[in-house]
Amino acid sequence: NAGVTQTPKFQVLKTGQSMTLQCAQDMNHNSMYWYRQDPGMGLRLIYYSASEGTTDKGEVPNGYNVSRLNKREFSLRLESAAPSQTSVYFCASEGGKLFFGSGTQLSVL
Amino acid sequence: AQSVSQHNHHVILSEAASLELGCNYSYGGTVNLFWYVQYPGQHLQLLLKYFSGDPLVKGIKGFEAEFIKSKFSFNLRKPSVQWSDTAEYFCAINSGYSTLTFGKGTMLLVSP
Repeated sequence: NAGVTQTPKFQVLKTGQSMTLQCAQDMNHNSMYWYRQDPGMGLRLIYYSASEGTTDKGEVPNGYNVSRLNKREFSLRLESAAPSQTSVYFCASEGGKLFFGSGTQLSVL
Repeated sequence: AQSVSQHNHHVILSEAASLELGCNYSYGGTVNLFWYVQYPGQHLQLLLKYFSGDPLVKGIKGFEAEFIKSKFSFNLRKPSVQWSDTAEYFCAINSGYSTLTFGKGTMLLVSP
């Protein structure tokens, strides 16, 4: 079982560039999440999707957009990357507990 | 709003020492409680969870946690740590249909 698959694993962007982080789960879960993890800050919720076709803001949504393309896929887009968005990003889906992807390490220069 | 506080940012122990990581939460209603672990270079995985019933919960790898409702606490314990327990540990809560709120994490370093 693949579980939650995230791509890419690493990315370096210049300030102002855009990119999309992809996430897919094969567990037929309704709920999916995007978190960012920063040292000393724990995990902070960016956006979540309780079901296909719905998305909601989390704790730190500014500068991000999301798309719940179908039940499997939940993408996170940075339209104009900023150095403050340098972080590790985790996608997760929920089925009694959170199943996490392996993370994307993003650096914005 | 719900919040989670983890008391220690860094803990250093020798192998075979006992471990207790503190977690307190604030929320007026019924909560579900979780401990997640993140080993170096890996993603988070669930250690244990409490929804209801016996307040002493046993998880994987010899970890356990006790829910003390009167203290709003859910401390994580292990009688004897191993080098392989070196990781970052996150306490988290949710309530009803709310999303998970994570604490800021505790980095545990176990020296051989």
